[in-house]
Amino acid sequence: DAKTTQPTSMDCAEGRAANLPCNHSTISGNEYVYWYRQIHSQGPQYIIHGLKNNETNEMASLIITEDRKSSTLILPHATLRDTAVYYCIVRFDMNYGGSQGNLIFGKGTKLSVKP
Amino acid sequence: NAGVTQTPKFQVLKTGQSMTLQCAQDMNHNSMYWYRQDPGMGLRLIYYSASEGTTDKGEVPNGYNVSRLNKREFSLRLESAAPSQTSVYFCASNRGRAVEAFFGQGTRLTVV
Repeated sequence: DAKTTQPTSMDCAEGRAANLPCNHSTISGNEYVYWYRQIHSQGPQYIIHGLKNNETNEMASLIITEDRKSSTLILPHATLRDTAVYYCIVRFDMNYGGSQGNLIFGKGTKLSVKP
Repeated sequence: NAGVTQTPKFQVLKTGQSMTLQCAQDMNHNSMYWYRQDPGMGLRLIYYSASEGTTDKGEVPNGYNVSRLNKREFSLRLESAAPSQTSVYFCASNRGRAVEAFFGQGTRLTVV
């Protein structure tokens, strides 16, 4: 699976958009980009994932560059409850090439939302 | 809908003791996973089970064994606990093919 690079930490003002970048320059054509977050030692929580197109759900938007070498997770109106560690993960489709689709976590970005 | 349930939530062991961490999911998922998380680190995969009856090693399998008892349950066993196994353990499950994984709330294990 491709490696990812994320900033160690970021701050965001409450009510503003939080834009979390992720570099995945060695991503291959069949690898998806996933975002999870972990709030204060709870179990990680799925946020969103995508392959090529931008995606949006009730939690966030995912913007993937045309060359797929980087992506940005956008929390449109950050709240204090969004303070967490955010993990960007790339992995193969679970059934591609015999991969079991394991999620390989790095250290993530610690997002602090401030009043 | 309970999702992924882990027991116990907290445990203190003495070096050399054995114990089994339990995990159960009620979402009819095929795949289940065990991770450990050390302070300031991301999660590292210990073992996974792609389907009932199969298990495979992850990144850090040494010192652990697993059993996929049935589709719902996936247990992690420490045969002879060591202080290096002090960690938070997370169980997860998913249905497969590029879909989200659901995590339990974790088991905080201390080996003294």
